[in-house]
Amino acid sequence: EVQLVESGGGLVQPGGSLRLSCAASGFTFSSYEMSWVRQAPGKGLEWLLYISSSGTTIYYADSVKGRFTISRDNAKNSLSLQVNSLTAEDTAVYYCARALGGDSLDSWGPGTLVTISS
Amino acid sequence: QSVLTQPPSVSAAPGQKVTISCSGSSSNIGNNYVSWYQQLPGTAPKLLIYDNNERPSGIPDRFSGSQSGTSATLDITGLQAGDEADYYCGTWDTSLSVGVFGGGTKLTVL
Repeated sequence: EVQLVESGGGLVQPGGSLRLSCAASGFTFSSYEMSWVRQAPGKGLEWLLYISSSGTTIYYADSVKGRFTISRDNAKNSLSLQVNSLTAEDTAVYYCARALGGDSLDSWGPGTLVTISS
Repeated sequence: QSVLTQPPSVSAAPGQKVTISCSGSSSNIGNNYVSWYQQLPGTAPKLLIYDNNERPSGIPDRFSGSQSGTSATLDITGLQAGDEADYYCGTWDTSLSVGVFGGGTKLTVL
């Protein structure tokens, strides 16, 4: 069974940083592209970043370019998201998801809540 | 403002059919496959439809998708109370080099 579990969320002050992790199991992690998606409270889904199976190709949404960094460790079946210079607008549930090409996300983790507040 | 446009809400009675539309452009829906996601309250999104009209295993055939030009639709037949959820369309935008979603449609089963 495919499982994705995010961790690392929490309460952070404006301007702060966090490192989110996603532990993958139940599939050959190194064969799949991955993405991060977030959802602000009461709002819709926002696609953030994509990383290829090898990690050599990365795409960013403009809203996070320069502040968020995606990476993966295929030996550890792990996906990471480094988030810097956080503002209140970054308050959201952050989901990692397995990608089938760039078009669809076929498995999602339960999400981890990031709250930016002083 | 979402790149893909969906109606904010739709509603229908149990047993009826509902259609949710998703409008985009040639850089996204017009040249890439569309997916649909169901998000039940308090849970993560779940893939319902991929490649415009394919269902992952376990998704009932009451859910179907189609695409024409720069628009896509999700049809749900034989509505059940458990179908009450938010539905999102999504695809890749070739010009922006990003994934894009619609703003979501809240389905109410009357």
